Amino acid sequence: NAGVMQNPRHLVRRRGQEARLRCSPMKGHSHVYWYRQLPEEGLKFMVYLQKENIIDESGMPKERFSAEFPKEGPSILRIQQVVRGDSAAYFCASSLGEGSNQPQHFGDGTRLSIL
Amino acid sequence: KNEVEQSPQNLTAQEGEFITINCSYSVGISALHWLQQHPGGGIVSLFMLSSGKKKHGRLIATINIQEKHSSLHITASHPRDSAVYICAVRIYNTDKLIFGTGTRLQVFP
Repeated sequence: NAGVMQNPRHLVRRRGQEARLRCSPMKGHSHVYWYRQLPEEGLKFMVYLQKENIIDESGMPKERFSAEFPKEGPSILRIQQVVRGDSAAYFCASSLGEGSNQPQHFGDGTRLSIL
Repeated sequence: KNEVEQSPQNLTAQEGEFITINCSYSVGISALHWLQQHPGGGIVSLFMLSSGKKKHGRLIATINIQEKHSSLHITASHPRDSAVYICAVRIYNTDKLIFGTGTRLQVFP
């Protein structure tokens, strides 16, 4: 599958636990974006990363949320000490590079449920 | 006021009807995306455009940069077109996307 791969598709956590969401970009893509879709709301930008660099994290909550895109391996969105309000669908997208002529390709998302 | 507004929010149609979904935005953009999301499903990119018009099968997307407006048209609609259609704009000089709240389309046989 040459598309953007996200796992797991569904993740259930209890309040206070940690959630790790993974995103493998399309082959050859070095730019990764994370978006959050709260129930009954639109998608919101969270963070934009290139390999080993965070380019724009203006949409990330100030606490408990972090993201990385290491030199090797997938991008990880990490949520510490989860709360009920973190329940949402988290989507990852990747692109070949920066610039308006580079489309973003989306994964199928991870549905996070907090008990 | 949202920076990206879509209309209508909900749309029902009979199979075969011509459908139009509108998107207006209030910021400077370098590109506009039309996305499709099925219930509980992933997001599929339908179009990315920065000017003019694009066509793919029964789908047509147009954009008027001066009026800051885009439309998505579906010709000969089919029940399998039932989904949420989302307009997203790439802010000028950034790689950040801002999304509309989506238009929920239901096509009945």
